[in-house]
Amino acid sequence: GAVVSQHPSRVICKSGTSVKIECRSLDFQATTMFWYRQFPKQSLMLMATSNEGSKATYEQGVEKDKFLINHASLTLSTLTVTSAHPEDSSFYICSGGAARGGRHEQFFGPGTRLTVL
Amino acid sequence: AQSVAQPEDQVNVAEGNPLTVKCTYSVSGNPYLFWYVQYPNRGLQFLLKYITGDNLVKGSYGFEAEFNKSQTSFHLKKPSALVSDSALYFCAVRPANQAGTALIFGKGTTLSVSS
Repeated sequence: GAVVSQHPSRVICKSGTSVKIECRSLDFQATTMFWYRQFPKQSLMLMATSNEGSKATYEQGVEKDKFLINHASLTLSTLTVTSAHPEDSSFYICSGGAARGGRHEQFFGPGTRLTVL
Repeated sequence: AQSVAQPEDQVNVAEGNPLTVKCTYSVSGNPYLFWYVQYPNRGLQFLLKYITGDNLVKGSYGFEAEFNKSQTSFHLKKPSALVSDSALYFCAVRPANQAGTALIFGKGTTLSVSS
């Protein structure tokens, strides 16, 4: 149980276009979704936290108008990179949070590789 | 501020030898501690976690980690390394009293196991 999927797994786009990444919790309801980005050979950096039905909370330095996050249901969150530029090329990983056995746990998706030309 | 330190960028071991990947943390209150492994161009795979109880935690693929509260450490260990263990390893932490907050990750340690 506790599987998180991401779609697409890999996307290449032209500079100036927008890209949407979907994150789904397949067998549980994710009350919280987290979005991370990872540059090559670096750690995961939290971008934002979203709770179902409310606005996302962005980490310092992350542009909320550039990285649009929607968490419309307990099983789906989307990240839209608007007007993408080459410096947005990165590995984007989502995770779903849920209460398990009285504790809150995070389950990670497989990631989406974004390349902006 | 909460943080995780992985002091080694890379660890090199020979196949069959024991391995240790180091992790220290700084959180307010009790920690929840995690280890994940990442293969190239793949997502994170959960290895093990410490929540409470026995300080020695056993996880997937023969890995284990020991929680040491006095040294604020949670080093990952394996008695006999395999070439297939070569990957990027992340230690992560979350304060126990902050349910619903994101995990904080260390910078990662690349493990290279030679045959």
